[in-house]
Order: sequence, then C-alpha cells, then structure tokens
Amino acid sequence: ETGVTQTPRHLVMGMTNKKSLKCEQHLGHNAMYWYKQSAKKPLELMFVYSLEERVENNSVPSRFSPECPNSSHLFLHLHTLQPEDSALYLCASSQDRGHEQYFGPGTRLTVT
Amino acid sequence: AQSVTQLDSQVPVFEEAPVELRCNYSSSVSVYLFWYVQYPNQGLQLLLKYLSGSTLVKGINGFEAEFNKSQTSFHLRKPSVHISDTAEYFCAVTASGGSYIPTFGRGTSLIVHP
Repeated sequence: ETGVTQTPRHLVMGMTNKKSLKCEQHLGHNAMYWYKQSAKKPLELMFVYSLEERVENNSVPSRFSPECPNSSHLFLHLHTLQPEDSALYLCASSQDRGHEQYFGPGTRLTVT
Repeated sequence: AQSVTQLDSQVPVFEEAPVELRCNYSSSVSVYLFWYVQYPNQGLQLLLKYLSGSTLVKGINGFEAEFNKSQTSFHLRKPSVHISDTAEYFCAVTASGGSYIPTFGRGTSLIVHP
C-alpha cells in the first residue's frame, strides 16, 4: 500500500450504532487530519494530530472521537450519530503541520 | 485567523480554451498557499504550492498560479484545458506561524465542455 488509505470506503449506520473509521499513512509523515466534506459546504477540519499533540475544532460534536495510537494510524470513532452527519470523511497527512497534505480517498458515511 | 474566498463556485469552459480560477485570502501574517484538485469519488490531490521565493508557481497537469501579496490573491491558471480537467478545485491557506491550521475555500467546479 502506498500513500494514504482509508477503510471502509462506504458505511451505512443507524443512529444507535457504534462504528470506527480507519486511516493509515505510508509516507512517514508526522501530522494526520480528519476532515468532513458535506455537499454545498466548505471542507471542515475536525481534528489534527501532530507529534502526539491534538488540535480540535471546538464545533465538532462529542459523538465523534478521534484516536491516534501512532504517527501512521488514525481512527475516528462514531457513536449515536445524526442524519446530518452523513458526509464524506477524509483523512490526510503531512510531513509537518503547515506543509502540503496528502489525502486518502475518503469514507462515504450515510446515517439512517 | 485566516480566511479564503474562491470567487466562482462554477466555471464552465470549452476544451482547449484558457481558464483562471480565482482565490483571495485574508491573513494578518505570512502564509503558505495551496491548490488542490478533487476528481469524483476521490480525495484531494495537491496541484501546486507556494511557500516562498518566486511568485509564479508551476504545478502538475500544466497548471500554474501566481502569488500576489498586494492583492492577497493566488489565482490558478491553465492555458489550454482538457476534458479530463473537469473536477473540483480548492484553494487553501496556512499561516506560516502559530498553529499552522489550514483553511480551505469552498471550491470551484471546473466544467470543461467538448
């Protein structure tokens, strides 16, 4: 595998389910990001991990919980989501914060 | 805090015609600037970046952009587009000091007609 990979590519979940999105980067980067991309809205940065420091967007609901066990792996844990959380969730990595980002293909999430 | 404005939500153009996608930014400090492209059902891919130095930046697929500090702009250009350039294009800015948190524009949909 090369670049940034994300699994699953598609996910349908009910509002009471718990699921996790996984991201892995094979680039030796030090920073990883989660974005939410909804139709007709700007790309929304949710979380950033860099050298074990986490930066988060304060507007992200607590039903989204990130985890970064090491510099190559990033998870987004989901629980009791709402239909408005349906979107494309993109993971990205960069050598350091501020550098160009490399994106994965995304996970298309549908909450029913 | 910084912000990015992409002035056109959609730009239709005929194949082999030139195109310019406009991007203006606002920041109180020096910035790094980026253009990304997103094809359907894919993530974003870096087209080009400006960190410092020459204000004319060349990227992949024949695209280039010019950093204009006085006008706080970073417009993307291509002299002759192809059908395959049809995609969503995003301008992004990162302050070169502080938190280095990136801000993206809303995107411009480039539609190339035969």
